[in-house]
Amino acid sequence: DQQVKQNSPSLSVQEGRISILNCDYTNSMFDYFLWYKKYPAEGPTFLISISSIKDKNEDGRFTVFLNKSAKHLSLHIVPSQPGDSAVYFCAAGSGANSKLTFGKGITLSVRP
Amino acid sequence: DVKVTQSSRYLVKRTGEKVFLECVQDMDHENMFWYRQDPGLGLRLIYFSYDVKMKEKGDIPEGYSVSREKKERFSLILESASTNQTSMYLCASRLAGGRIYEQYFGPGTRLTVT
Repeated sequence: DQQVKQNSPSLSVQEGRISILNCDYTNSMFDYFLWYKKYPAEGPTFLISISSIKDKNEDGRFTVFLNKSAKHLSLHIVPSQPGDSAVYFCAAGSGANSKLTFGKGITLSVRP
Repeated sequence: DVKVTQSSRYLVKRTGEKVFLECVQDMDHENMFWYRQDPGLGLRLIYFSYDVKMKEKGDIPEGYSVSREKKERFSLILESASTNQTSMYLCASRLAGGRIYEQYFGPGTRLTVT
């Protein structure tokens, strides 16, 4: 049973435009959510997170939105840059010491 | 800066061999994790450890074991490697009870079993 879903395997956007990466979850016990970025042949790097008590968190060009009633979160990248081309993983957890559950990832391609 | 290192970037082993993957972190983190990443399947948790000598099964522990004798080191063992264990293996660590729950990942080991 997949508790964190990233239903689109890939996304292609033009440089300078907005990239919107979506993630859905089924476990209502999740209380924090994270986005990781991964380049080929490298480990994932933490990008941004959000607690379930918030509905938005912003860090530079990256904003994560959380809709708890819909069990949906999204990552917005504005403006998109070619260096943003990577695989993005959504992850969720419940409790400070719990394991994370990851989605399958989405490959973002930003065209120059 | 947190640094998580893995003993090998690329590894080729034969079916039936015993394989050791080593992970070391330098930030005194209590929690450590082993994942594998496969195309279309994302990151799947194999084993994790909350602290020294502690271990918990993740979602796909079959065919694997782990060892955590020292806080900084977490080893993943493939008792008898099989071709379906060909994958990218990622180690991660995290401070227990940290302000934000992110895990810090190593660069990964690409294991090929022939």
